[in-house]
Amino acid sequence: AQSVAQPEDQVNVAEGNPLTVKCTYSVSGNPYLFWYVQYPNRGLQFLLKYITGDNLVKGSYGFEAEFNKSQTSFHLKKPSALVSDSALYFCAVRDANTGFQKLVFGTGTRLLVSP
Amino acid sequence: EAQVTQNPRYLITVTGKKLTVTCSQNMNHEYMSWYRQDPGLGLRQIYYSMNVEVTDKGDVPEGYKVSRKEKRNFPLILESPSPNQTSLYFCASSLRQGTNVLTFGAGSRLTVL
Repeated sequence: AQSVAQPEDQVNVAEGNPLTVKCTYSVSGNPYLFWYVQYPNRGLQFLLKYITGDNLVKGSYGFEAEFNKSQTSFHLKKPSALVSDSALYFCAVRDANTGFQKLVFGTGTRLLVSP
Repeated sequence: EAQVTQNPRYLITVTGKKLTVTCSQNMNHEYMSWYRQDPGLGLRQIYYSMNVEVTDKGDVPEGYKVSRKEKRNFPLILESPSPNQTSLYFCASSLRQGTNVLTFGAGSRLTVL
């Protein structure tokens, strides 16, 4: 069964410092990977996705993610954090070999950026 | 504006009183889905629909029903709500399944007493 794991419930970083939010995945076929962000009292918003191609994917708001097949990871990164980046971040995966029946989400990581 | 609209946004009800959470999208999307969000569990899929009159169970379908009579609407029905259905519910849609990005509604917070 396909799954994703977000090992950190919360990540704390100071404004201006680089940030990383971790995600590892498990699928039987080729993974299609996504990052979404949820701001307070809002629905999830798409940040970026990996389908094929370059292992470094660039997305919205200056975020990027690195796909690593050997480590089955898809970590979200940003070179310089902003206070406004504070939110809940979800990694998600579709498994191409299961006919895209489901998008499976991780449990989420809360990012807190301090001034 | 392209969007997914859910109603109600907040609802407090009692055990056993049937309720419906509506979901409507204006993007002509084929695929629609319902998720519930619970602390420590992330988002779990309840039901999804690949097109009109085509629905299927997600990971946690027990206690829920859905219908897809029109492309734009995908209501979530709780025939006899119970306290363990207290949760934050999200409707989402995408052009098709596969690699397409989901667009989420703003969420419906349901409390069952």
